[in-house]
Amino acid sequence: DMKVTQMPRYLIKRMGENVLLECGQDMSHETMYWYRQDPGLGLQLIYISYDVDSNSEGDIPKGYRVSRKKREHFSLILDSAKTNQTSVYFCASSLRGNQNTLYFGAGTRLSVL
Amino acid sequence: KTQVEQSPQSLVVRQGENCVLQCNYSVTPDNHLRWFKQDTGKGLVSLTVLVHENDKTSNGRYSATLDKDAKHSTLHITATLLDDTATYICVVGDRGSALGRLHFGAGTQLIVIP
Repeated sequence: DMKVTQMPRYLIKRMGENVLLECGQDMSHETMYWYRQDPGLGLQLIYISYDVDSNSEGDIPKGYRVSRKKREHFSLILDSAKTNQTSVYFCASSLRGNQNTLYFGAGTRLSVL
Repeated sequence: KTQVEQSPQSLVVRQGENCVLQCNYSVTPDNHLRWFKQDTGKGLVSLTVLVHENDKTSNGRYSATLDKDAKHSTLHITATLLDDTATYICVVGDRGSALGRLHFGAGTQLIVIP
């Protein structure tokens, strides 16, 4: 079953706390993505990972970092979360050579108080 | 500047009616265009992908067209059902591989009422 799984689905944190969002996929996709979705805006790319330990900044990387130590897992880390990082975060994966294989997770709704 | 504009922003139709969603973009190059359906609180599910000039695709009650000259796509939903209530997102890829970037529209929120 082709799936992208995100954990947790919902998270509430206080400003200044650290946040870890996790994403897993079972399709052996090389490429994985982290996006955030805010009302009235299209999804914005935070980071892209082309494979293990091969990560690149997206359009809005400030305040975030990522970790990819296994092909099937991609983590998004917020060190000292800010209130403007309240958002819905989506992970996605695809084959490197074919974005037609793009699959999304169900999202993590993060609230930073 | 937003490179993918969707209209209308929201739409209410009665069950059984047809509807048309629009996507205009300025992304260059425009390798492919994909329509996604996003149910409330869920992830994005691909409906169809268009690649070539004047492509037309059909997926059940969903059909889509692409005019690359005009940089315009439409998504038609025929005989809407209550389950069609969702946000529909247009995405333009500037390459076919993961080396390219995906440009997302803000979506059209469709509400189907009985």
